[in-house]
Amino acid sequence: EIVLTQSPGTLSLSPGERATLSCRASQSVSSGYLAWYQQKPGQAPRLLIYGASSRATGIPDRFSGSGSGTDFTLTINRLEPEDFALYYCQHYGSSPPFTFGPGTKVDIK
Amino acid sequence: EVQLVESGGGVVRPGGSLRLSCAASGFTFDDYGMSWVRQAPGKGLEWVSGINWNGGNTGYADSVKGRFTISRDNAKNSLYLQMNSLRAEDTALYHCTRKGISMGYAFDMWGQGTMVTVSS
Repeated sequence: EIVLTQSPGTLSLSPGERATLSCRASQSVSSGYLAWYQQKPGQAPRLLIYGASSRATGIPDRFSGSGSGTDFTLTINRLEPEDFALYYCQHYGSSPPFTFGPGTKVDIK
Repeated sequence: EVQLVESGGGVVRPGGSLRLSCAASGFTFDDYGMSWVRQAPGKGLEWVSGINWNGGNTGYADSVKGRFTISRDNAKNSLYLQMNSLRAEDTALYHCTRKGISMGYAFDMWGQGTMVTVSS
């Protein structure tokens, strides 16, 4: 089972700043099967990034994903007020379990 | 409208059973693999179980293996989760999710969830 670790646990930033979120896997994630989700209070998660770096439909280009192997990054450029939320990374693909990381909270400084 | 709507949650005693359902609409259900993902109150996301498009392949988290059974009825556009021998630690909001064909098989659609509470 691939274990995902996210850092930091909480990121306190101001609107307009850049957020850099890290996700580290306990073993290599094959074919870049790494996704990022955003979750706001009382809402279901929303897919942001799949395949480590591809934006999902309708996701603004201020969101970008990068990385390979065991180290992945979600970058949010020029934080908008609606971007303050919880972010989870996930390993998915053809072989379960499809584990999630513990999450990073981006809150307003 | 493209959506997933869960039902069947409730309060159950430890050791009891529940069957969750997920009704899919607005897309060709049998084109997609599906999963259940849960979230305990104030906690993170946990993948519970998944099933391929025709039900021929299933997978389970170790925490539910042997107790939960995932299934689907493509004629009814529905996904199910039979939960037996429930424990307090199964208390969570259970989301039905779709593996997106055009999104590299990441979970591109989520239902709002149905709440399961296991308590005596």
